[in-house]
Amino acid sequence: AQSVTQLDSQVPVFEEAPVELRCNYSSSVSVYLFWYVQYPNQGLQLLLKYLSGSTLVKGINGFEAEFNKSQTSFHLRKPSVHISDTAEYFCAVTRSGGSNYKLTFGKGTLLTVNP
Amino acid sequence: ETGVTQSPTHLIKTRGQQVTLRCSSQSGHNTVSWYQQALGQGPQFIFQYYREEENGRGNFPPRFSGLQFPNYSSELNVNALELDDSALYLCASSLGTGVAETQYFGPGTRLLVL
Repeated sequence: AQSVTQLDSQVPVFEEAPVELRCNYSSSVSVYLFWYVQYPNQGLQLLLKYLSGSTLVKGINGFEAEFNKSQTSFHLRKPSVHISDTAEYFCAVTRSGGSNYKLTFGKGTLLTVNP
Repeated sequence: ETGVTQSPTHLIKTRGQQVTLRCSSQSGHNTVSWYQQALGQGPQFIFQYYREEENGRGNFPPRFSGLQFPNYSSELNVNALELDDSALYLCASSLGTGVAETQYFGPGTRLLVL
């Protein structure tokens, strides 16, 4: 089974500052990794995903994440945040082979961008 | 192209009652997955339907059941509601069963059990 730990439940930052949201996973098999964003009163939207290939993955809205297999991490970064990035961010994992229909999510990190 | 829609948006039930939640998948998507998101938690996988058959299930009791219709829309049914069933219920549609296919989420149905 896979599991995800999001190390920070809340991250406050000022507008235009860089941000890193941390995600560690646990799995005995190879995995796919995802970051989703949830704006207030909305469903989840995919930011980016790692399936294979380059360990640096670029997503929408200027976000990127780096897959580090040795540290079992998949941290999300943005060099300069905007007020509109205020939302809940979820890291998710699934096994890469076989029946990989099930996403396992972390508990989320609330990013609050202050003016 | 319409996105994933869910109905109703909010629902209040009492313990012991039954509830049906509905999901219309994105056009062309044949797979629907359901998740439960308790307050302050990440979504938890309930089950997935592919071409009208259950394709996989998470750690939820049998009183959580589902259906998928020929047009690929889906229902989540919960019997004998418990207080802990209070949550946001999300459905997600995709082109196939593997999560390498991007899942598109609806806005959710917020269920409160009193």
